[in-house]
Amino acid sequence: KAGVTQTPRYLIKTRGQQVTLSCSPISGHRSVSWYQQTPGQGLQFLFEYFSETQRNKGNFPGRFSGRQFSNSRSEMNVSTLELGDSALYLCASSLAGVRSGNTIYFGEGSWLTVV
Amino acid sequence: AQSVTQLDSQVPVFEEAPVELRCNYSSSVSVYLFWYVQYPNQGLQLLLKYLSGSTLVKGINGFEAEFNKSQTSFHLRKPSVHISDTAEYFCAVSDRETSGSRLTFGEGTQLTVNP
Repeated sequence: KAGVTQTPRYLIKTRGQQVTLSCSPISGHRSVSWYQQTPGQGLQFLFEYFSETQRNKGNFPGRFSGRQFSNSRSEMNVSTLELGDSALYLCASSLAGVRSGNTIYFGEGSWLTVV
Repeated sequence: AQSVTQLDSQVPVFEEAPVELRCNYSSSVSVYLFWYVQYPNQGLQLLLKYLSGSTLVKGINGFEAEFNKSQTSFHLRKPSVHISDTAEYFCAVSDRETSGSRLTFGEGTQLTVNP
């Protein structure tokens, strides 16, 4: 059974550009969450999608957005990139969420460097 | 809102020694508790989780954790560590009251096992 797949794994962007990251959850999983990991701020929750609807949202500016498709695949977009957006972006999936007792599985992440 | 404090940022130990990684949490509602491990350049892997029932939880790779509600702690233990346990460990909580998969993480503890 394939795990959570994130693409691209590594990318370099210039300040002011935008970036789109992709996540394919484990087959059958309907919940997809995104996290930002940086040395200074640690792991921070960005947002969660369930059945194509945003179910939870963290405290990030509107430059960070996401969406989920009918096949549960998800994308996150960051517009007008800033140097501080350099981070490891992790995608996680679960069947329906923690409250249902489901395990949350993480992908290996997308490393974004903004120069 | 919840918060998680991992009391040690770095824990060096010798191979075959016991180890305890400490985690305290704060929350106004009941929570689920998790420990994840992150190996270099990889995503997060679930070690164990506490949802309900017995306060002693056994996980993978010989790790266990004990939930102490009165002390709001969820410390991770292993009786004998191996070199391969060298990694960063994250404690996390999730709100029981709301649906979804939002995790709040601690800042992480770097466990280094020396020969």
